[in-house]
Amino acid sequence: QQQVKQSPQSLIVQKGGISIINCAYENTAFDYFPWYQQFPGKGPALLIAIRPDVSEKKEGRFTISFNKSAKQFSLHIMDSQPGDSATYFCAASAVGSGGGADGLTFGKGTHLIIQP
Amino acid sequence: DVKVTQSSRYLVKRTGEKVFLECVQDMDHENMFWYRQDPGLGLRLIYFSYDVKMKEKGDIPEGYSVSREKKERFSLILESASTNQTSMYLCASGSYFQNQPQHFGDGTRLSIL
Repeated sequence: QQQVKQSPQSLIVQKGGISIINCAYENTAFDYFPWYQQFPGKGPALLIAIRPDVSEKKEGRFTISFNKSAKQFSLHIMDSQPGDSATYFCAASAVGSGGGADGLTFGKGTHLIIQP
Repeated sequence: DVKVTQSSRYLVKRTGEKVFLECVQDMDHENMFWYRQDPGLGLRLIYFSYDVKMKEKGDIPEGYSVSREKKERFSLILESASTNQTSMYLCASGSYFQNQPQHFGDGTRLSIL
């Protein structure tokens, strides 16, 4: 599995602002792109996910933008709140050899702090 | 709610020991996964299984093995623990289909002395 590159490593945003995290991938076989949110002492939890047949997906304050030609996708958090302070991981996967889910390839994570 | 339970939150072992990490899921998921999480490296896939007694290598399988004797239980085995295996280990489960979420346990922080 090839790498997923995530930036920035850390991000500080004022309350009410927009948080933007970017990811890029190389493997064109990837066709499922989830974002996970992780709080200290907890396992990652799925936040939102997208398939490459759409360019944008929105769920509440969270939006994924996807650019298939550039092999890039990003997470936008609108009206960022202190409770959004967490580590965010982008990930990607391809269909496994058996036709089902393969393991996820994760970015290295972004530590997001929302200042009140 | 899906529950993925890892048997230990913290574990301290010695170099050369054989170490077992256990994971149980309650959603009848076909797939189960083991990742390790290290600061600045994100999560990396060690092994996964899509059926009982089946296993597939992930990105970093060296020094590890797995066992899946029952659908709900997936064990990670460190055959001879080494200090570079000190890490946070995360188990996850998910349905067979690729576009379904993986559900994670809260991790086992393993220290090898």
